[in-house]
Amino acid sequence: AQSVTQLGSHVSVSEGALVLLRCNYSSSVPPYLFWYVQYPNQGLQLLLKYTSAATLVKGINGFEAEFKKSETSFHLTKPSAHMSDAAEYFCAVSRAGANSKLTFGKGITLSVRP
Amino acid sequence: DTAVSQTPKYLVTQMGNDKSIKCEQNLGHDTMYWYKQDSKKFLKIMFSYNNKELIINETVPNRFSPKSPDKAHLNLHINSLELGDSAVYFCASSQVDSDYNEQFFGPGTRLTVL
Repeated sequence: AQSVTQLGSHVSVSEGALVLLRCNYSSSVPPYLFWYVQYPNQGLQLLLKYTSAATLVKGINGFEAEFKKSETSFHLTKPSAHMSDAAEYFCAVSRAGANSKLTFGKGITLSVRP
Repeated sequence: DTAVSQTPKYLVTQMGNDKSIKCEQNLGHDTMYWYKQDSKKFLKIMFSYNNKELIINETVPNRFSPKSPDKAHLNLHINSLELGDSAVYFCASSQVDSDYNEQFFGPGTRLTVL
């Protein structure tokens, strides 16, 4: 069984401030972890992924995430928020195999204030 | 070139009607998926097909019938549409023997049942 917890539904930051979006996972096998971004009325775009190669993962648009097995966490960060980062962010977990599926967290809405 | 495409992008219909959504991928992947995103933006797997074989059927009502004529296509037919079927439906594809089974998403089909 696998699950993802994203605490809170909305995060608001000022432009230029640190962005921190939290994600905790549960998985009975070594997980693959992903962060997706969804801009208004658009599809899902992959920001970054953890696949056991490195615990600190760098993604697109300046985002990065750190896998911490002891904390079962995969928090997403960006040092300096930009107005264009305003979107919905989803953390997801999956595993290897033909019957693999992505299990998503409920998502977090990021707002960026001028 | 669009990697995963869906048609139509918008679908508005009356309760009780039957409708289909089509999905095509040109990535050469062996597995395709349908996800449903509800009004609260929660994303959940519905089905997956691997090499045209149904792998995951996530307790979806049997009014929903996926069909995979070949590895590049996965269509979703919905009978007797209900108000609660209103959602955004995303198609995705992946190659399950790849290192991390990354799923690539289509742009979504927004279904509105009146």
